Amino acid sequence: DAKTTQPPSMDCAEGRAANLPCNHSTISGNEYVYWYRQIHSQGPQYIIHGLKNNETNEMASLIITEDRKSSTLILPHATLRDTAVYYCIAVNYGGATNKLIFGTGTLLAVQP
Amino acid sequence: DSGVTQTPKHLITATGQRVTLRCSPRSGDLSVYWYQQSLDQGLQFLIQYYNGEERAKGNILERFSAQQFPDLHSELNLSSLELGDSALYFCASSRTVDSNQPQHFGDGTRLSIL
Repeated sequence: DAKTTQPPSMDCAEGRAANLPCNHSTISGNEYVYWYRQIHSQGPQYIIHGLKNNETNEMASLIITEDRKSSTLILPHATLRDTAVYYCIAVNYGGATNKLIFGTGTLLAVQP
Repeated sequence: DSGVTQTPKHLITATGQRVTLRCSPRSGDLSVYWYQQSLDQGLQFLIQYYNGEERAKGNILERFSAQQFPDLHSELNLSSLELGDSALYFCASSRTVDSNQPQHFGDGTRLSIL
């Protein structure tokens, strides 16, 4: 699975868009980019995933560059409840498993 | 609510003991995963089952074992417990093993070894 690189922490003002970057320069063609978040010590929460195209759901948008070497997770209107550690993970159907390899993620602090 | 149920929520026991953690996957999900989160190691994949069979192993200690039953619930057995086994243990489930299938996590079991 490709290694991903994320900034250790970011701040965002409440009500503003939060843009979380992720670099995955060694990603292969059949690897999906997944985003999860973990609020305090709760179970990780699935946010969104994509392969090539930009994706949007009720929680967030995922923008993947054309060369697929980086992506950005966008929370359009951040609230205090969005304060969490956000993980960007490349998932490959290789070796008959889609296990998740978590890095250290980005701690997003939403400020009032 | 992810639909994944883990019991118990908290477990306190002593070194040398054995415990069993239980996970019920979301309805319709065939694959179950176990992850460990300790302060110094972060979230680590332990083991995966798919439709009753072991699919993948991560950094799971020999003292740990797991199984998935015909009704698809899973149990993680931890034996000869050591202080370092204190951690949060998460279970996740997904429909299949396809990389296009997201995993959904339970709320975890917090294991404290005294």
